[in-house]
Amino acid sequence: DAGITQSPRHKVTETGTPVTLRCHQTENHRYMYWYRQDPGHGLRLIHYSYGVKDTDKGEVSDGYSVSRSKTEDFLLTLESATSSQTSVYFCAISESSAGLISLYEQYFGPGTRLTVT
Amino acid sequence: SQELEQSPQSLIVQEGKNLTINCTSSKTLYGLYWYKQKYGEGLIFLMMLQKGGEEKSHEKITAKLDEKKQQSSLHITASQPSHAGIYLCGAALLMKTSYDKVIFGPGTSLSVIP
Repeated sequence: DAGITQSPRHKVTETGTPVTLRCHQTENHRYMYWYRQDPGHGLRLIHYSYGVKDTDKGEVSDGYSVSRSKTEDFLLTLESATSSQTSVYFCAISESSAGLISLYEQYFGPGTRLTVT
Repeated sequence: SQELEQSPQSLIVQEGKNLTINCTSSKTLYGLYWYKQKYGEGLIFLMMLQKGGEEKSHEKITAKLDEKKQQSSLHITASQPSHAGIYLCGAALLMKTSYDKVIFGPGTSLSVIP
């Protein structure tokens, strides 16, 4: 199994409070991703990182920010949590990005179940 | 994502039976991933296909990417209760940005009855 951990694994928070989720990897992979998984929508990319301090938006980035100060850690922050952000959040890592020349496996963490009341 | 569809949406089979799950893209795929997710858990990487016509096997699971690279099938032979879970396909699509996007299908829920 790829060395990916997420913390916390479960969190319940109130609307309007800030929340930070942490993803930690021991594989020294360059790319890290944050997804959310919701019934009817599947997995959707929130933000991704292609190196330390290098991040970019995914398809559902509104209301979320990320930071990556070290190769091994990728933080996802909800500045002011809303009920629509209740979801299961997955972190993933890959050695490189997909491309015409080659594909790289994306390995997923165990997930964080976040409930915003 | 509507760009990637899976069929069937759910499947209930008797232990020992064979089954097939399909993943169809509206765009040409540059590669495809198959994952398995147990209920309430993370995604487990099964296999990755890149070349049209490529076929890979892992234990009793075989996946194939069709020649035109717009569809992949996942076949399980002699299903067991341990095969139960949600199977997701992920497709690599070449975008105009520097990030080559990977999108995921909605998943197929598989139940295996002993």
